[in-house]
Amino acid sequence: AQSVTQPDIHITVSEGASLELRCNYSYGATPYLFWYVQSPGQGLQLLLKYFSGDTLVQGIKGFEAEFKRSQSSFNLRKPSVHWSDAAEYFCAVGASAAGNKLTFGGGTRVLVKP
Amino acid sequence: DTAVSQTPKYLVTQMGNDKSIKCEQNLGHDTMYWYKQDSKKFLKIMFSYNNKELIINETVPNRFSPKSPDKAHLNLHINSLELGDSAVYFCASSPRDRYYNSPLHFGNGTRLTVT
Repeated sequence: AQSVTQPDIHITVSEGASLELRCNYSYGATPYLFWYVQSPGQGLQLLLKYFSGDTLVQGIKGFEAEFKRSQSSFNLRKPSVHWSDAAEYFCAVGASAAGNKLTFGGGTRVLVKP
Repeated sequence: DTAVSQTPKYLVTQMGNDKSIKCEQNLGHDTMYWYKQDSKKFLKIMFSYNNKELIINETVPNRFSPKSPDKAHLNLHINSLELGDSAVYFCASSPRDRYYNSPLHFGNGTRLTVT
């Protein structure tokens, strides 16, 4: 069965600074990987996804993520954080054998200091 | 023109009651889901329907019964509510593709509080 670990529960970053959120997954075959963002009181919005091909994927809102098979990681990055990026971020892994059942990590809450 | 809409947004009820949460999507997707997010923000899938057919049924108490009258709707009925059912319930949908890797589109959630 697949699993996802997000080691950081909270991260505080200054506005304009760079941000990196860690995600480690466990899955026997090639995974489908996703990052979602959840703003307070809202549902989850897809930031980006990786299925195959180029291991560096670009997403919305200036985010990117890099798939590293050797490290079983899919870390999310943003070069310069804006106050509106304060939210909860979820990494998820999917598998075709599971019928599109996404398994989510526990989330990382990002706080942005002015 | 909300893509995935859930009602109600908030639901406060007493233990032992029966309640329903409704979900509708206007994206033309074939697959719909219910996820439960607990107080620690942990998200776990409960059910998945594809064209009104149940395809994923996780280890959820049988007090929870999903109903899909058509592929655009997936409702969740909960009998004999318990304190532990308090959570945010998210409906989601996705198009069906042969590799089952389409991203999910989420509703804004229903916060259920059982007192």
